[in-house]
Amino acid sequence: QKEVEQNSGPLSVPEGAIASLNCTYSDRVSQSFFWYRQYSGKSPELIMSIYSNGDKEDGRFTAQLNKASQYVSLLIRDSQPSDSATYLCAVMMGGYSTLTFGKGTMLLVSP
Amino acid sequence: KAGVTQTPRYLIKTRGQQVTLSCSPISGHRSVSWYQQTPGQGLQFLFEYFSETQRNKGNFPGRFSGRQFSNSRSEMNVSTLELGDSALYLCASSTRNTGELFFGEGSRLTVL
Repeated sequence: QKEVEQNSGPLSVPEGAIASLNCTYSDRVSQSFFWYRQYSGKSPELIMSIYSNGDKEDGRFTAQLNKASQYVSLLIRDSQPSDSATYLCAVMMGGYSTLTFGKGTMLLVSP
Repeated sequence: KAGVTQTPRYLIKTRGQQVTLSCSPISGHRSVSWYQQTPGQGLQFLFEYFSETQRNKGNFPGRFSGRQFSNSRSEMNVSTLELGDSALYLCASSTRNTGELFFGEGSRLTVL
């Protein structure tokens, strides 16, 4: 069964620190990878997408992809209390717009 | 630009009943996907529609069905409800064959 694995957390970091969130996936042929953020009681929202090996930066967020190791990560620099949320890793495995989601990592940023 | 709209937001049903959930995608988005979210299983893919055709279906029993209309609005139906169907049902739309989904607020179903 094709899977996406994440540590459930919570991952606790102090304000201003770097938060590192990790994700592994089982389908070697996957080509598209995403990070969604979900605040408590809200729906997921897309924050990053990455399609090629290496790093992709967007403001305080950096997504990293290593297809050989089947590993995706998200770095959040200068973490803020407003970053406290569950971060969902998603992988396009089934084609079209079908995503397989990990169960998410809860991030807690303390002031 | 209006976001994805789901109705109803909350509903309570009893075992054996059926339920229909509605989703209006962002204007111009032709792909609509449905996901079930529970604390134990996370987000699980139900089905995806594009131009009124179901393109993909997740590993759910036949009690779960859906359809898409010519205006891209979508509905999903769950028949013979079970306690385990209690969940947040999320609809997402997108413009093309990417994983860049825009989610609605969800329909929270409680089965008693």
